[in-house]
Amino acid sequence: NAGVTQTPKFQVLKTGQSMTLQCAQDMNHEYMSWYRQDPGMGLRLIHYSVGAGITDQGEVPNGYNVSRSTTEDFPLRLLSAAPSQTSVYFCASSYSVANYGYTFGSGTRLTVV
Amino acid sequence: DAKTTQPPSMDCAEGRAANLPCNHSTISGNEYVYWYRQIHSQGPQYIIHGLKNNETNEMASLIITEDRKSSTLILPHATLRDTAVYYCIVNGGATNKLIFGTGTLLAVQP
Repeated sequence: NAGVTQTPKFQVLKTGQSMTLQCAQDMNHEYMSWYRQDPGMGLRLIHYSVGAGITDQGEVPNGYNVSRSTTEDFPLRLLSAAPSQTSVYFCASSYSVANYGYTFGSGTRLTVV
Repeated sequence: DAKTTQPPSMDCAEGRAANLPCNHSTISGNEYVYWYRQIHSQGPQYIIHGLKNNETNEMASLIITEDRKSSTLILPHATLRDTAVYYCIVNGGATNKLIFGTGTLLAVQP
């Protein structure tokens, strides 16, 4: 039982490049989400999913796409990287709508130059 | 989802109880109170949650006032490893969408 696995752990992109941050969980959790955390700030919700085939926007969705084709995977795509997207990205999953805690991954540290 | 208010920072002596307050005066009847913590550069860690009754687990205790407008997270015997940012979050409804604030930085002093 690996929990929530994020890859890569570190990434440097050039402005305009695209990439996909991977997130996988092996706990059969229905709910998954992506957050970003900038220095000295709390986490901000980017996108979330309540189940396979269902996604929705969070607080800061611009510049990011997601899809949920399986229960296990919830990739985050950066369409055209910008320096403002330099951040640490966390993926999280949860078993139930409420009355259950989220499990977070260890994060992907992204730098856009 | 209801908004929460937490002090930006607190100190606690090692071995003593750490009591972290949270105000959530606009909480609605179906919303739970969750506590997470984030140790430097790591992913947030779930601690505990509750609806209206006090809760206790191996990590902490959660005390929710009778009117549910505030709560307190209690770490009974704080250690240096408990130094972290602690987030109080109120969440309910169909989306399980956690919205984080800026939390409380708890510094446990030797």
